[in-house]
Order: sequence, then structure tokens, then C-alpha cells
Amino acid sequence: DTEVTQTPKHLVMGMTNKKSLKCEQHMGHRAMYWYKQKAKKPPELMFVYSYEKLSINESVPSRFSPECPNSSLLNLHLHALQPEDSALYLCASSQREGNNNQPQHFGDGTRLSIL
Amino acid sequence: EDKVVQSPLSLVVHEGDTVTLNCSYEVTNFRSLLWYKQEKKAPTFLFMLTSSGIEKKSGRLSSILDKKELFSILNITATQTGDSAIYLCAVYGAGSYQLTFGKGTKLSVIP
Repeated sequence: DTEVTQTPKHLVMGMTNKKSLKCEQHMGHRAMYWYKQKAKKPPELMFVYSYEKLSINESVPSRFSPECPNSSLLNLHLHALQPEDSALYLCASSQREGNNNQPQHFGDGTRLSIL
Repeated sequence: EDKVVQSPLSLVVHEGDTVTLNCSYEVTNFRSLLWYKQEKKAPTFLFMLTSSGIEKKSGRLSSILDKKELFSILNITATQTGDSAIYLCAVYGAGSYQLTFGKGTKLSVIP
């Protein structure tokens, strides 16, 4: 088990559904990330939150909507997804010390299937 | 554009063998290089390297960085079946929160 907890572990949804992915960490990290990982590919960065503010949006379609309610929680709201959005969605967190990034620690991911 | 290249892309070895995985990079404003192990789920952090020539070691795994030649290696000695995984190399560059990942090396250790 990792120190970054993601729920649910698996999600199957239709293209018209609205659902949310949740991520929680209690390591005091102030940077949190969403990644998308397709089979046999490395993780692709989607969003970065730094001190609860959206810092990076890697041109992600608006059908993905991130939210950071507090320093421990990160959500990803999903609406009107397409079959090609089926993937493993990973959450990660890291600490910053000055200008230096510390390692990102990943959750086990949510395996999302769009019907 | 930042680039990380890993080799080989896949490798099959017998238990007890020693393996060396390679990672080269071209990154603007290099900050650090990280190694992760990914089995079925989360990438698990192994090492972070920031300085050239200083070996980091954890059990049978070790890694070293060469900032002049822009590469790193990950060594695994006396491999076990539990070492079977994809090993990801990633670099922090100028985009300070962004890790640029290589495609990974898939290691299979057979009994």
C-alpha cells in the first residue's frame, strides 16, 4: 500500500455519466498531481496543484475538471468522457524545498473504463 | 523539448544475473533524475540523483548519474523474480514541477 490513497480502484462509466476520482495524502506535501497512463506507456502529466492552486494544466480537455479542496485532498471530476479516455489515472504528491522538487509519490491509481 | 531515452526497452534475464539499465537525457536546466519501479499499479520511488558520480544504493539496487555525459544507470545484482517490473527513468528540468518520463525498461526475471 502507498501513502497516497486513491478511490475508487476501478470505475466503469458511460459517456454521459458524471463521476469523480479522489486522492488523499497525509504526508504534508504541498504539490499534488494528476497523471493519465495508457497501457505500456509512461505516465502523462495532466494537472499540478501547488499550495492548493492550479499551477499547470497540460492542455487537458474540459471534460476533466480538477479540484483541490484542501492540502490533503485532490479530486478529478469527469463528465462526458470518450472511450479513448479509458486509462489508469494516477495521483501523486511531492514536497518542495526551495526551488528543488522532492520525489513524487504515487497512488495505486484508478483504472477507468468508458463504455 | 525535454527528452529521456531508456535502453533496452525490454530485457529477459535468469535469477541471479546482474543487470544494468540505461537512461540518457536532454533536458533544459536539469535539476534531478529519478528512478521508479512499476509493477501492476503505482510507480514506486527508488532513487533521486542530483550530483554526478555519487552512487546511491539500496540493497541489491544501485544507481549513479553522469551529468557531463547526460546519463544514468540502474544496476540490479543477484536478480530475483520479484524484480520483474517496468523501470521508469524521469527527470526534473526547467518546468519545475514536471517530470519528463522515459518509455521504461521492462525487466523479466525467470527462475
